Amino acid sequence: RKEVEQDPGPFNVPEGATVAFNCTYSNSASQSFFWYRQDCRKEPKLLMSVYSSGNEDGRFTAQLNRASQYISLLIRDSKLSDSATYLCVVNPSNTGKLIFGQGTTLQVKP
Amino acid sequence: DGGITQSPKYLFRKEGQNVTLSCEQNLNHDAMYWYRQDPGQGLRLIYYSQIVNDFQKGDIAEGYSVSREKKESFPLTVTSAQKNPTAFYLCASTWETGTNTEAFFGQGTRLTVV
Repeated sequence: RKEVEQDPGPFNVPEGATVAFNCTYSNSASQSFFWYRQDCRKEPKLLMSVYSSGNEDGRFTAQLNRASQYISLLIRDSKLSDSATYLCVVNPSNTGKLIFGQGTTLQVKP
Repeated sequence: DGGITQSPKYLFRKEGQNVTLSCEQNLNHDAMYWYRQDPGQGLRLIYYSQIVNDFQKGDIAEGYSVSREKKESFPLTVTSAQKNPTAFYLCASTWETGTNTEAFFGQGTRLTVV
């Protein structure tokens, strides 16, 4: 089993749609979690950290479920500019390694 | 401006040659990482370093080597032993290896071996 797994998609949605991505992780002792966004042929950039209580930033909401070992990202009112690959990142128990999922591709269409 | 810089952006090499990719950061970060990304794939960890003069192998270290002689610098050498070196290489740094530590990335180096 991979340490961090994501559905690669692609997710093709119309503008204005709500879309959700999940990411599962295997190490139950993992301490910190992030969602990154990567545009085509560019470096990843932090979208948001994921806190235990869940957190929201505008149209984006991140949730953590420790019991089931997954994190989620919800995007409301999708924009064309949201089209990108979304990477789930896990820091497993302060090992010093950041583990990336393979990414989920989102394509928002007019 | 503080940041992390990779050079060059594009690199072409002949098969059998070693090549070194540069990564420099002025963020005063302790930890630095090298990742490889292939088309349509996620990032795979090659090497990482939590402190100067120390580094650990990641998941795909074979055919690569690194050094961490200075806090600011973490060069990656792709050796001739690496069987499929053509890829997008990303360097990252974090303040520490503790919790909720954001990783900052360089712009990447696209290596093509012909």
